Amino acid sequence: NAGVTQTPKFRILKIGQSMTLQCTQDMNHNYMYWYRQDPGMGLKLIYYSVGAGITDKGEVPNGYNVSRSTTEDFPLRLELAAPSQTSVYFCASRGQASYEQYFGPGTRLTVT
Amino acid sequence: EDQVTQSPEALRLQEGESSSLNCSYTVSGLRGLFWYRQDPGKGPEFLFTLYSAGEEKEKERLKATLTKKESFLHITAPKPEDSATYLCAVSQGGSEKLVFGKGMKLTVNP
Repeated sequence: NAGVTQTPKFRILKIGQSMTLQCTQDMNHNYMYWYRQDPGMGLKLIYYSVGAGITDKGEVPNGYNVSRSTTEDFPLRLELAAPSQTSVYFCASRGQASYEQYFGPGTRLTVT
Repeated sequence: EDQVTQSPEALRLQEGESSSLNCSYTVSGLRGLFWYRQDPGKGPEFLFTLYSAGEEKEKERLKATLTKKESFLHITAPKPEDSATYLCAVSQGGSEKLVFGKGMKLTVNP
């Protein structure tokens, strides 16, 4: 049982490039989330999903897109990367029966 | 607006020196208050969920308590391996958003 896994661990992008951050969970959780964590700031919710085929915006969705075609996977797409998207990105999931979220190891993204 | 404030921002303790971390929150309709531990370069690790004032949870040297306005994470006789950043977050009923505090960096010296 690996929990929540994320790839890649590190990535450097040039301004204007695009990429997809991958997130997979093996706990059969319906709920999945994407957060970003900036130095000295609390984690901010980007997007979330309550089940396959259903997604919704969080606090800071601009510049990102998501899809949820399966229960296990919740990829985050960055289009036209900007320096402001330099951050550490965390994926999380939770089950139906409780509200605590379980986090992946993160992806550190630098846009230059 | 929902807010979470953690204090102090950083704390240095000697091994065995007990202390408490504070998390003050303002949220209407609290669904849950969560404590996480985060080690450098890692994702947050879930510690506790507290749902209502008066509730307490314990795990090894950690004890979390909740009132209507704040939560405390008590650390008893800490060890160097307790060094980490501790995050507090709240969830409001009807919302999937977790509002996180900025975290509190704990260093325990041997």
